[in-house]
Amino acid sequence: RKEVEQDPGPFNVPEGATVAFNCTYSNSASQSFFWYRQDCRKEPKLLMSVYSSGNEDGRFTAQLNRASQYISLLIRDSKLSDSATYLCVVNPFAGKSTFGDGTTLTVKP
Amino acid sequence: DTGVSQDPRHKITKRGQNVTFRCDPISEHNRLYWYRQTLGQGPEFLTYFQNEAQLEKSRLLSDRFSAERPKGSFSTLEIQRTEQGDSAMYLCASSFDGPFSPLHFGNGTRLTVT
Repeated sequence: RKEVEQDPGPFNVPEGATVAFNCTYSNSASQSFFWYRQDCRKEPKLLMSVYSSGNEDGRFTAQLNRASQYISLLIRDSKLSDSATYLCVVNPFAGKSTFGDGTTLTVKP
Repeated sequence: DTGVSQDPRHKITKRGQNVTFRCDPISEHNRLYWYRQTLGQGPEFLTYFQNEAQLEKSRLLSDRFSAERPKGSFSTLEIQRTEQGDSAMYLCASSFDGPFSPLHFGNGTRLTVT
């Protein structure tokens, strides 16, 4: 079993739709969590951190459920430009960041 | 632009040759990471440094791979006797110390072994 697991998708949604991605992690001692966005053949870029109380950045909302060991990303009012792969990242107290394999989103007109 | 920079952007080499990649991190960051990514997969951890000390190396990494960060600034990743399975995007990232500091990636070096 992988340390960080994501539904690979693809998720194909129309513009304006709301879409949610989940990510589960196996290390209960994980300290911090992030969502990254990666466009085709480009480097991953930080989308947002995930805080224990949940947090929002414009159309994006991230949630953390430590008891069930999963994090989620909600995108409201999807835009064509949101089409990308979304990577879930989990950090332990010390050591490397572990990435999921990503969820691919395609937003269609 | 003071982001992470990697060189070269692309490298094509023949099987059996040695290759070396360079990464210049964000100057204020003391941590530097190397990851490898293949199509359809997330970045896979290779190794990381805190200042000049190499703190962790993936158990999956063969002895053909070596990384250095001699003065705690730039880093090099060398692959000896390349194999076709080494073809991938090699990503460098840097961050501040601690689990709450996110990684900032360079553009990557795309390696093709023929």
